[in-house]
Amino acid sequence: GAVVSQHPSWVICKSGTSVKIECRSLDFQATTMFWYRQFPKQSLMLMATSNEGSKATYEQGVEKDKFLINHASLTLSTLTVTSAHPEDSSFYICSARVRGVKDTQYFGPGTRLTVL
Amino acid sequence: AQKVTQAQTEISVVEKEDVTLDCVYETRDTTYYLFWYKQPPSGELVFLIRRNSFDEQNEISGRYSWNFQKSTSSFNFTITASQVVDSAVYFCALSDPYNFNKFYFGSGTKLNVKP
Repeated sequence: GAVVSQHPSWVICKSGTSVKIECRSLDFQATTMFWYRQFPKQSLMLMATSNEGSKATYEQGVEKDKFLINHASLTLSTLTVTSAHPEDSSFYICSARVRGVKDTQYFGPGTRLTVL
Repeated sequence: AQKVTQAQTEISVVEKEDVTLDCVYETRDTTYYLFWYKQPPSGELVFLIRRNSFDEQNEISGRYSWNFQKSTSSFNFTITASQVVDSAVYFCALSDPYNFNKFYFGSGTKLNVKP
């Protein structure tokens, strides 16, 4: 149980286009989901906390207008990279916190974004 | 502020050697959680262990063992008789239970196990 999926697993897009990444909790409800970014050979950097039915909370230095997060249901959060540029190329990972369970978070398999 | 330090950037060992990955953390909270995750080349994070701040008992799971020392704010991870399949990047993380369980990851330690 407690599986988190991400779609797509990889995507290549042209500079200036927008890309949407989905994060789904498959067998549990997640009131809170997190979005991370990982550059090659670096650690995971928390971008934002996504709460179902409310606005996401962004970490300092993360542009909320560039990285749009929507958490429309208890099983789905989306991250849209708007007007993508090559420097947005990265590995994006989401995680989901199990509803009602405070200390448990499950990670998705990640999405590799390459912007040409 | 929460912070996790993994001072070892990369470690190389020969198969069957024991190896310890260090993790030192900083937090002002009395309640917190510590984690270890494995990230193989495929990228997916594999959960290894979760430990809460009130449980200082060391844990052993097969070839893996963890040593939690609150006095030194350390949560070290030892792999006994390492295998090539253990090659991966290992992350230590600290969870803030008062802030939506935000995770603070260390920079990771890349473990290379050579045959």
